Amino acid sequence: GESVGLHLPTLSVQEGDNSIINCAYSNSASDYFIWYKQESGKGPQFIIDIRSNMDKRQGQRVTVLLNKTVKHLSLQIAATQPGDSAVYFCAEDGAGSYQLTFGKGTKLSVIP
Amino acid sequence: DTEVTQTPKHLVMGMTNKKSLKCEQHMGHRAMYWYKQKAKKPPELMFVYSYEKLSINESVPSRFSPECPNSSLLNLHLHALQPEDSALYLCASSQDTSNYGYTFGSGTRLTVV
Repeated sequence: GESVGLHLPTLSVQEGDNSIINCAYSNSASDYFIWYKQESGKGPQFIIDIRSNMDKRQGQRVTVLLNKTVKHLSLQIAATQPGDSAVYFCAEDGAGSYQLTFGKGTKLSVIP
Repeated sequence: DTEVTQTPKHLVMGMTNKKSLKCEQHMGHRAMYWYKQKAKKPPELMFVYSYEKLSINESVPSRFSPECPNSSLLNLHLHALQPEDSALYLCASSQDTSNYGYTFGSGTRLTVV
């Protein structure tokens, strides 16, 4: 797999702008995908999920897009707020393996 | 109660010590998980318990020993750890192993000296 290195990919956005966080997943047979938000000193928190039979799912201020052709997942956050600053992880179910595998993570920093 | 509670929040232990991490949930979830998370990395699965039985062990060294005394509690017993075992240890639970709506605890920050 790709080497992560010591630094998380970082996305800096101005407060009020929209954010797009991307994730490339590994298993083409994965059926279920989740986005988690992890704030400093806390455990991951569920944001939104999507099944492989869907291309798009919307929540409150968040939208997840799934492109199975290129194994790509994205999380869109509308009107980003300072409280959205965190590390965001995508996770996949690995084709019914009964365990979640997390992607590498992206650190979102919101500039007030 | 919709939380997973982990204790202690912080732990410093020597390489010859024996300690235990504790995790508790009262949501009626029958699947519980231990994850290890190093700094700036994603959580990595260690163990899965389903209906109080160990169902997945991701080739974790024997110095980590999980225990599930009942459906609400999950322990991780630590013995003869190495400095590279220092990490955030996260516990999670879900209704069962086919349900991926995990609820995570805030973790135990472990430092091995």
